[in-house]
Amino acid sequence: SQTIHQWPATLVQPVGSPLSLECTVEGTSNPNLYWYRQAAGRGLQLLFYSVGIGQISSEVPQNLSASRPQDRQFILSSKKLLLSDSGFYLCAWRFTGGNNSPLHFGNGTRLTVT
Amino acid sequence: AQTVTQSQPEMSVQEAETVTLSCTYDTSESNYYLFWYKQPPSRQMILVIRQEAYKQQNATENRFSVNFQKAAKSFSLKISDSQLGDTAMYFCAFLQGGSEKLVFGKGTKLTVNP
Repeated sequence: SQTIHQWPATLVQPVGSPLSLECTVEGTSNPNLYWYRQAAGRGLQLLFYSVGIGQISSEVPQNLSASRPQDRQFILSSKKLLLSDSGFYLCAWRFTGGNNSPLHFGNGTRLTVT
Repeated sequence: AQTVTQSQPEMSVQEAETVTLSCTYDTSESNYYLFWYKQPPSRQMILVIRQEAYKQQNATENRFSVNFQKAAKSFSLKISDSQLGDTAMYFCAFLQGGSEKLVFGKGTKLTVNP
């Protein structure tokens, strides 16, 4: 069976500091990978998705970037955090090519920028 | 761009009763997929049910069922025999056929009262 790991679970960072959130998937190959952000009391906003190694699609121009250095690894980064980057970040995966394949989510990272 | 609207920010229901959560979407495409996700206080996103647009029969998963009205672009979730553990945020999501991006509504906060 497939599992998704996301860490850290919580993070408190000062404004201007760098960020690195990591997500890995086990039990499948070549998954589609996603980063979503959920602001307080709001829905999920798609930030980035990837259909293969080194292939990153950005949905929202912002202070963040994503990378996929390995097939089942997805990293969300920032060089300098802003207060507005605070939120709940969710990594997710789904099967490639299966249009009715749902997203499977990690447990999320609660980021507080102070 | 596709949009998903959940018009009920909050709802409450008594234990053992039935509740219906509303979702409407906007698309000009005929091939798409719809999902309901549940996010309990733990914030883990859990797939509740999915529906393919080409299927006329409404999907059912135990106490959860949908009322899919394609012409009206409506996809409501019915929860029967509500349980305390159903207390959560519920998100409706849309996936256009051939796309890799799930679009989420802003969610409905459901509280099941004892």
